[in-house]
Amino acid sequence: DTAVSQTPKYLVTQMGNDKSIKCEQNLGHDTMYWYKQDSKKFLKIMFSYNNKELIINETVPNRFSPKSPDKAHLNLHINSLELGDSAVYFCASSLGDVGEQYFGPGTRLTVT
Amino acid sequence: DAKTTQPPSMDCAEGRAANLPCNHSTISGNEYVYWYRQIHSQGPQYIIHGLKNNETNEMASLIITEDRKSSTLILPHATLRDTAVYYCIAAMDSSYKLIFGSGTRLLVRP
Repeated sequence: DTAVSQTPKYLVTQMGNDKSIKCEQNLGHDTMYWYKQDSKKFLKIMFSYNNKELIINETVPNRFSPKSPDKAHLNLHINSLELGDSAVYFCASSLGDVGEQYFGPGTRLTVT
Repeated sequence: DAKTTQPPSMDCAEGRAANLPCNHSTISGNEYVYWYRQIHSQGPQYIIHGLKNNETNEMASLIITEDRKSSTLILPHATLRDTAVYYCIAAMDSSYKLIFGSGTRLLVRP
């Protein structure tokens, strides 16, 4: 069973569109995260959620809106997509605020 | 969170030990040292972490110097599948985030 899953794996869309990426974890964790890895391979934290509450927002544009319907899911909705949003987005989860995090396989977003 | 410094790349022969160094001279007393790796195109994978004592698990060993200013990740018998980028991260348990640097690209040679 996949511990942290993301859908879709690939997403190609045009500038200005709105898209969502879904993340689910079956580990019973209560903290979930979104990370962005750009073309230069730098991996940066975007959001952290604990028990469905936003804990960290690392100066991410308002066009990005995470939604956590329950502890097992953290979805990422992106409005008005821009070329610079092209990247691989990773979801992760952990038990509490610890650094032992489990990552999903990533979603490669390409904005044309 | 303290900054960490790692060599950009290393290589080792298959079957030999891979020793990956990390400097974290400004680490604070409540910051753990975490090691992750990212195999090409996959999500980062947790390897091991420690605070003061040396740690070992089924994947690797972590040696932390007594002054905690540096550490070494040891893969005892490297295989081709260990080729990856290895990240050393200093983080507090309450920080709710990991700050990834540029890591060390380890190439395991046949």
